[in-house]
Amino acid sequence: GENVEQHPSTLSVQEGDSAVIKCTYSDSASNYFPWYKQELGKRPQLIIDIRSNVGEKKDQRIAVTLNKTAKHFSLHITETQPEDSAVYFCAASTAGNEKLTFGTGTRLTIIP
Amino acid sequence: SAVISQKPSRDICQRGTSLTIQCQVDSQVTMMFWYRQQPGQSLTLIATANQGSEATYESGFVIDKFPISRPNLTFSTLTVSNMSPEDSSIYLCSVSAAGSNIQYFGAGTRLSVL
Repeated sequence: GENVEQHPSTLSVQEGDSAVIKCTYSDSASNYFPWYKQELGKRPQLIIDIRSNVGEKKDQRIAVTLNKTAKHFSLHITETQPEDSAVYFCAASTAGNEKLTFGTGTRLTIIP
Repeated sequence: SAVISQKPSRDICQRGTSLTIQCQVDSQVTMMFWYRQQPGQSLTLIATANQGSEATYESGFVIDKFPISRPNLTFSTLTVSNMSPEDSSIYLCSVSAAGSNIQYFGAGTRLSVL
């Protein structure tokens, strides 16, 4: 089955700087890659996703890049703000299979 | 996105008892999933709740321990049976529409077993 690795497990960034979280996946048939943000005690919230037919997607300060050849994808957050502090999870799924396999999570702390 | 209601939000239970968690969606959805999230950990899929048929369980999870019902396209339940302290966790339901991989999550049920 699919295996998703996520790095780093913790990340501290000065407010205003950029943060990058990376994930690798094992199944070359995977074609959907969402990113979730989970604040303490809250539900995971979808913040951005990308499908295998594109290499990059942006939404304001958040972007995701995908390298299908290397089987890795990354979350980029620019101009970080204190409210970006949370745990971020990447995930992957394959066509025709709506199951998501999650990475281990990254605890992002924005230092004011 | 769908509005997902999950009940109870939290509970404290005695070992050996069972707890049923409900997940209600405000629109018809094809897929409903149940996850477990242990403290400080990632999300682990327990099973996919299929409407009109038995749930599909992931490796390490069995129907006797986690029976699931899905009577219609907007509702599902997960029962945690014969609980032990190791079952203390957050249980989350999620939903996705037909042909879509996009999953939206309920607020979760925080379960503590004494």
